Amino acid sequence: DVKVTQSSRYLVKRTGEKVFLECVQDMDHENMFWYRQDPGLGLRLIYFSYDVKMKEKGDIPEGYSVSREKKERFSLILESASTNQTSMYLCASSFLYSYNEQFFGPGTRLTVL
Amino acid sequence: QKEVEQNSGPLSVPEGAIASLNCTYSDRVSQSFFWYRQYSGKSPELIMSIYSNGDKEDGRFTAQLNKASQYVSLLIRDSQPSDSATYLCAGRCKYSGGGADGLTFGKGTHLIIQP
Repeated sequence: DVKVTQSSRYLVKRTGEKVFLECVQDMDHENMFWYRQDPGLGLRLIYFSYDVKMKEKGDIPEGYSVSREKKERFSLILESASTNQTSMYLCASSFLYSYNEQFFGPGTRLTVL
Repeated sequence: QKEVEQNSGPLSVPEGAIASLNCTYSDRVSQSFFWYRQYSGKSPELIMSIYSNGDKEDGRFTAQLNKASQYVSLLIRDSQPSDSATYLCAGRCKYSGGGADGLTFGKGTHLIIQP
């Protein structure tokens, strides 16, 4: 069974804090993705990576950065958290080629106060 | 224009009837499409994918792709209360770096199956 895990289910941080969200997959997938999901806005792609140390901007990269030092791990970093980054964050992974399914992690509900 | 458009609903369908979910897409979206189901408080799970023009059937689900009209649909036959969920339409999208494709999602259609 494919497993995508995220470091926390719920996280509460203060404005200005640096926040790390971690994602780990155990299927040797090349691609890893970070999305945020908000009511009325749907799922939006923040960043993705197709290889170690490689990253691509998605639709809404502003205010975020990512790190992929190992194939199985993809981190999303909020350098200085703001209240408008309060959201559900979902990580996903897939094999490299276009026709493959993305598998999602359980999500992290981040609240920035 | 958003890359993938869906009617947010709610779409209410009686149990046992056919539920029809639709989405349209823009030129930026490639010809690979996916339907995900998302229960409240859970993450999306893939239920159907379609790459070629026409119909693809899997059990009670049929996905339809019409490239000329840039239209994708999902039919659920013999709808069950357990089918009540939000259905997300997604398509492959190239991003500026030229590496792997990402997925761009519609906002989702909330489906309610009435017992």
